[in-house]
Amino acid sequence: DTGVSQDPRHKITKRGQNVTFRCDPISEHNRLYWYRQTLGQGPEFLTYFQNEAQLEKSRLLSDRFSAERPKGSFSTLEIQRTEQGDSAMYLCASSPSGFGTDTQYFGPGTRLTVL
Amino acid sequence: AQSVTQPDIHITVSEGASLELRCNYSYGATPYLFWYVQSPGQGLQLLLKYFSGDTLVQGIKGFEAEFKRSQSSFNLRKPSVHWSDAAEYFCAVGADSGNTPLVFGKGTRLSVIA
Repeated sequence: DTGVSQDPRHKITKRGQNVTFRCDPISEHNRLYWYRQTLGQGPEFLTYFQNEAQLEKSRLLSDRFSAERPKGSFSTLEIQRTEQGDSAMYLCASSPSGFGTDTQYFGPGTRLTVL
Repeated sequence: AQSVTQPDIHITVSEGASLELRCNYSYGATPYLFWYVQSPGQGLQLLLKYFSGDTLVQGIKGFEAEFKRSQSSFNLRKPSVHWSDAAEYFCAVGADSGNTPLVFGKGTRLSVIA
C-alpha cells in the first residue's frame, strides 16, 4: 500500500492554457474523489467516481473542468482555458468501497498557480 | 445539506498544555464525522472518525473527540500538546458514510510555543 499519489505536485501555467492532473488511488480502492482547496479554506468537493462511473459533480465544477477514470484505476482532472481563480490545491482521495464505514485517504495534492 | 463550522481560525498553545479544537456541524440525520490534520506540504491525514456507538472516540497521536448530538458538536482534544502537533486541523461531515463526498470546515491552525 503506497498511498494515493498525485502528479505533478506543482504546476505553474499562464491564463488560458489547459492543464491536466493525474491521481493514482490506493490499489483496489473503488471510489475516487477530487477536492479543491484554496488558501485559508477547507477542501471543497468537486467530483467523485465509483470505478469508472462518475457519480456526482459539484456546482463548483464549471464546464471548463472535466474528470475521467477510464479503467477504474487512475483518474485525470483537466482544466481548460485556465483562469486566475483556478489557482488552488487540487486534492485526490480514495476509499475502499461503496459500502459501510470506509475512510477517504488523501494524496499530497497538486498545487496550481495560474499567472 | 451538511455544513461544518470551526469557530477558531487560529489557536496558540504552550507545549505540554491541553488542547481543544471546536467543531459544530449541521445535518438532519446521523452524521459521519471526521477530524483530519494537514501539515505544510502534506496531504490530509485522518486523526479519528465517528460513525456510531461510543461517543468518545480515540484516534492517532493521542487525540480524542467527543460527539455530542444535543450540541451538534464534535470537539477534538489532546491532554498534552507536542511541538510536532503544529498544523492545520479540519473537521468534516459525511452524509451516509465515509464513502460520500465530505463537507469540511475552514480549519483551525494550531501553533505550539515553547
